[in-house]
Amino acid sequence: DTAVSQTPKYLVTQMGNDKSIKCEQNLGHDTMYWYKQDSKKFLKIMFSYNNKELIINETVPNRFSPKSPDKAHLNLHINSLELGDSAVYFCASSPRTSGRGYTQYFGPGTRLTVL
Amino acid sequence: DAKTTQPPSMDCAEGRAANLPCNHSTISGNEYVYWYRQIHSQGPQYIIHGLKNNETNEMASLIITEDRKSSTLILPHATLRDTAVYYCIPRRGQFYFGTGTSLTVIP
Repeated sequence: DTAVSQTPKYLVTQMGNDKSIKCEQNLGHDTMYWYKQDSKKFLKIMFSYNNKELIINETVPNRFSPKSPDKAHLNLHINSLELGDSAVYFCASSPRTSGRGYTQYFGPGTRLTVL
Repeated sequence: DAKTTQPPSMDCAEGRAANLPCNHSTISGNEYVYWYRQIHSQGPQYIIHGLKNNETNEMASLIITEDRKSSTLILPHATLRDTAVYYCIPRRGQFYFGTGTSLTVIP
């Protein structure tokens, strides 16, 4: 069984559209994350959620809104998509936010292309 | 969080040990050192982490110097499937991925 899964794997859309990426983890972890990897391959954290509560937002435009319906899911909704949003988005989860239990497990990624 | 320095690229012959160094001279006492790798187009994969002592698991060994200012990830018998970008991440707060080392395993 896949530990951290994301849908869709590929997403191609027009500028100005609104889209969502879904993430689910079956590891029983308390904390989930969204990362963005741009064309230069830099991987940057965007959001961190602990038990359905936002605990970090790394200067991400407010067009990006994470939504966590329950502890196992963290979806990423993007409004008014721009060309610069094209990237690979990775979801991750960890048992907790500190100490030895911090190891993060990543999903396979969603490649977003904005035309 | 501590800054890291890793060589941008390395080659290793298949079947030989791959030794990937990382300098983290500004690491603080409670920061673990994590190693991840990213195989082309896939999500980052956890390899190993440690605080002070050397660590070994089924994937790799982690050697941390006594002063904790540097560490080395060892893949004991590199295979072609180990070709990836390897990230060394001292972690106290959030994970910040640098540019890593691109390891190419050569047949």
